[in-house]
This record gives sequence, C-alpha cells and structure tokens, in this order.
Amino acid sequence: DAGVTQSPTHLIKTRGQQVTLRCSPKSGHDTVSWYQQALGQGPQFIFQYYEEEERQRGNFPDRFSGHQFPNYSSELNVNALLLGDSALYLCASSWGPGNTEAFFGQGTRLTVV
Amino acid sequence: GENVEQHPSTLSVQEGDSAVIKCTYSDSASNYFPWYKQELGKRPQLIIDIRSNVGEKKDQRIAVTLNKTAKHFSLHITETQPEDSAVYFCAANSGNTPLVFGKGTRLSVIA
Repeated sequence: DAGVTQSPTHLIKTRGQQVTLRCSPKSGHDTVSWYQQALGQGPQFIFQYYEEEERQRGNFPDRFSGHQFPNYSSELNVNALLLGDSALYLCASSWGPGNTEAFFGQGTRLTVV
Repeated sequence: GENVEQHPSTLSVQEGDSAVIKCTYSDSASNYFPWYKQELGKRPQLIIDIRSNVGEKKDQRIAVTLNKTAKHFSLHITETQPEDSAVYFCAANSGNTPLVFGKGTRLSVIA
C-alpha cells in the first residue's frame, strides 16, 4: 500500500518561471491538501481539493493554483515565481475533507534563483 | 480563523528525562489536535492525536493532554531517547477546516 507520493523531490527554477508539482494520495484517500513549509517554520495551508474542486484556500495569492483529477491525484501550479516561493511543498491526503488523520508526502523542495 | 501558538521553540533535555511541549489555540470550535514529528529532510509524521471528547491519550512513552476550557494542549515524552530528537509540530482544526500548525519545537536529546 503506497503512501502519499510527490514528484519531483527537488526542483530549481528561475524567477518569473512557472512550476507544477504533483501528488498522489494514499490509497483510499480522496482529499488532498497542499502546504508550504518555509525553513524553520510550520506548514502553512495553501488549499484543499475534494471531489475535484478547491474547497478551502489559505492566504496565498492567485499565482498559486491547483487541480484534482478523477483518480484523486493533484497538482499544484505556481506562476511568476518569486524568490520567496522557495520552500518545501508538502501534500497531505486524508479520507474526507474534515478533521481526519492526514498523511504527508515527502515533499518537493523548490528553490527559486 | 484558527491560530496556534507553540512553546518552546527549542528544547534540550538529557537522555532519560521528560520533555513537554505546549500549544494554545484560539478557535473554541476546534476539536481535533494532532502532533507531528519531522526529522531532518523527512516528511511530518503523525505520532499521536486527540479529539475534544477526551482529556488525555497515551501511547507508550508519548502522551497528549487537552484542556478545552483553557484552549491548550500538550505533548509529553517520557524517558527520552536520542532518536526522539526532531522538530515537533502541533496542529488544530474543526469540522471541515484545514489543519493549522504551530511553528514547531526543535527537541534535542543529549546522550
């Protein structure tokens, strides 16, 4: 039973570029949440997808967008990258969007230069 | 929205001693409180959680307590071992709201 998988594990991009990160949820999970974790900080909620729709959104600009596919996998897209977007991007999956146990992927380390 | 404060930010203990990490939350509607352990370069892993219908939960050397009236919850690790060294995060949410995390506590267990 595979856990939450994310790709790629590391990525280096230039300011102004666009990036797409991918997440496959744990088997049996239908909800995917994305978090940004800056160095030395706790994860900050970006948005959550359930039933292929964005259900909740944190305090992130519209440059951050996402998608969920019928197989429950998800993508996070960031446009017009800024240096401040450098962080570990974590995907967490759960069964249902409510207060249930969330399992995290290993993350994608994004560096913007 | 919910706000979670976590203290201390760093904690050093001698091997075998106990460690306590405390969190407060602001939203009285929050009813789920997980704790995650994150080792360097690895994913956050759920180590224990508690729901608002109980006041304490134990799992071997780890325990969590919840005081709903005061809106705070704590993680207790007894008989600490070097492998307990990591960053610990508390979090809270309610119903269909996302998890809100504290800023983390870096625990160092000195052998």
